[in-house]
Parts: sequence; structure tokens; C-alpha cells
Amino acid sequence: GAGVSQSPSNKVTEKGKDVELRCDPISGHTALYWYRQSLGQGLEFLIYFQGNSAPDKSGLPSDRFSAERTGGSVSTLTIQRTQQEDSAVYLCASSLEYRSYNEQFFGPGTRLTVL
Amino acid sequence: SQQGEEDPQALSIQEGENATMNCSYKTSINNLQWYRQNSGRGLVHLILIRSNEREKHSGRLRVTLDTSKKSSSLLITASRAADTASYFCATERASGSRLTFGEGTQLTVNP
Repeated sequence: GAGVSQSPSNKVTEKGKDVELRCDPISGHTALYWYRQSLGQGLEFLIYFQGNSAPDKSGLPSDRFSAERTGGSVSTLTIQRTQQEDSAVYLCASSLEYRSYNEQFFGPGTRLTVL
Repeated sequence: SQQGEEDPQALSIQEGENATMNCSYKTSINNLQWYRQNSGRGLVHLILIRSNEREKHSGRLRVTLDTSKKSSSLLITASRAADTASYFCATERASGSRLTFGEGTQLTVNP
């Protein structure tokens, strides 16, 4: 079956513009995560959707960042008024809920460059 | 600070040697997982060890977990150039909760 897909794979934008990043999770996976990874660094948790529960937004760095998950499937991460420090790889992952452990399946990421 | 912290940050070895990476964490966990990442892209799950397990094997991988010391190690035996990647540990505090990733170890295996 298909894995997690993300689009675009690369995005170059100018400072101050808004960007939307898309994530298609594995079919049937009800949990979806967004992470940010700066060059050579670890993963920074951004937001977590789990089924019909309210999302855990505790990792969003500012109110310029928001995310939606429509119909329990596709998710969009939106960054408004981008800044140069937003440049990073944005990774999406999905997992099955209601298992005894949480193995995450990652997409290939979107590399965002803010000029 | 990160729940999981790996050391060393970087490791360079020759092909055929064994590579050992360590991970420490701060709180109680349900399980600990190791992931691999090539070229700054998506991570791939390697192996999971539950809190009631002490050692686990998968091919050339061996993972140990010491819950009293809140630490884990990942051993890659007979390393290959293709093992060159970043390796991350991730902890799951409670069953079904989100993972917390460490900063990673960059492994370079020289042919």
C-alpha cells in the first residue's frame, strides 16, 4: 500500500509570504503528526491529530503556524508571513490508534526555504 | 529539553566494525523506539523495545534497555557503508501517546 506522502517536496518562498504544506497519511491511520527539522538537528514536534479529539497544538512555535485535518485524512500545515527562521524540513507522520504501541510512519518531508 | 538524548552526536567507523549509539531519557516510558534517517528526509522505524524488555535483536541490530538508568543502546554489528545515516531514539510515555525524539547520532561508515 501507499506510504505517507507530502507535497510539495521543495518550496522556496519569499519572506512574508504564506505557504501551505500538505500531508496524505496512510489510509486508515487515525493519528497524524507534524514535525520540523532544521539542518543537522533533531525533530521538533509541532502538532498532533488523534482521531476526533482536539489536536495537541503545544509544539506550534507561534500563531503564524496552524494546521487542519479534514475528514480525518489529509492535513495541511499553513505558515503565514514566513520568516527566514522558518526554513527547515517539515515532516509528517501517521500511525494507527488503539495499538499497544505507537509506531510512526514518516513521509519524505517538504524542504522549505524562505529567502 | 528533549526527552531522548543520544550520544555520541557523531560517530565515524570503518566498514566491518560495530557501531554503538546510546540514548538517555528522563521520565518513565511505555516503550523506546529507534529510527533511521537518510539525507534529512523521512525517518524509518527500525526496532521497538518495551519497558518490560531488556534486550531485543533484529538482524544486525541489537537494542538494550535499562529502565533503572533510563538509557538504551543501539548496536549495529558488522557495519556497512549503507548504514551511514542519522539514528534517533524516540520514547513513548504511555501507550498510544505521541513520541518524543532525541537529537540523533550521525553515523558515518567508511568503506
